[in-house]
Amino acid sequence: QKEVEQNSGPLSVPEGAIASLNCTYSDRGSQSFFWYRQYSGKSPELIMFIYSNGDKEDGRFTAQLNKASQYVSLLIRDSQPSDSATYLCAAYSGGGADGLTFGKGTHLIIQP
Amino acid sequence: DGGITQSPKYLFRKEGQNVTLSCEQNLNHDAMYWYRQDPGQGLRLIYYSQIVNDFQKGDIAEGYSVSREKKESFPLTVTSAQKNPTAFYLCASSIIGELFFGEGSRLTVL
Repeated sequence: QKEVEQNSGPLSVPEGAIASLNCTYSDRGSQSFFWYRQYSGKSPELIMFIYSNGDKEDGRFTAQLNKASQYVSLLIRDSQPSDSATYLCAAYSGGGADGLTFGKGTHLIIQP
Repeated sequence: DGGITQSPKYLFRKEGQNVTLSCEQNLNHDAMYWYRQDPGQGLRLIYYSQIVNDFQKGDIAEGYSVSREKKESFPLTVTSAQKNPTAFYLCASSIIGELFFGEGSRLTVL
């Protein structure tokens, strides 16, 4: 059974600080990793994806991947109240459309 | 604009009734999916389809049915056999793992 684990939170971070969201996955064959943001009552939207070890930066967001530790993280710099949402981590193991496994998400609250 | 359209956005159903949720995409994606999300839970895969006239069961297919007669359309029927159908249903299409979601359909069984 492929699993993606996330701390459900809530994770509370002051405005302007760095929010750090973490995710671990069980399948060593996982090839690529996705972070989705989901506002309450809305559908998820893709924030970032990463498939190589190391860091990938996009604006205020940095995704980090450590395949040896089976660990993925998302850093949000200069956190804004609009970043308050649930963040879903997903791991793709290939093999077709059912190769994507989602974590349950971390609820992030940015305090003004 | 390219995207995925789900309808209806909200739906109420009496126990014992079948309901069909619509999903249409104009992104020209081959793969389409249906997920279910319950409060505080992640996304669970119901059915997926990689090509027209073919679809596969996901992790929680019991009580659901789908069809894929056109590339653009992937409707989901929630049958009376689904014991706990109240949930948020999300349709998506994809290019190798990167999912594009519709706005979702919230089904409530009265």
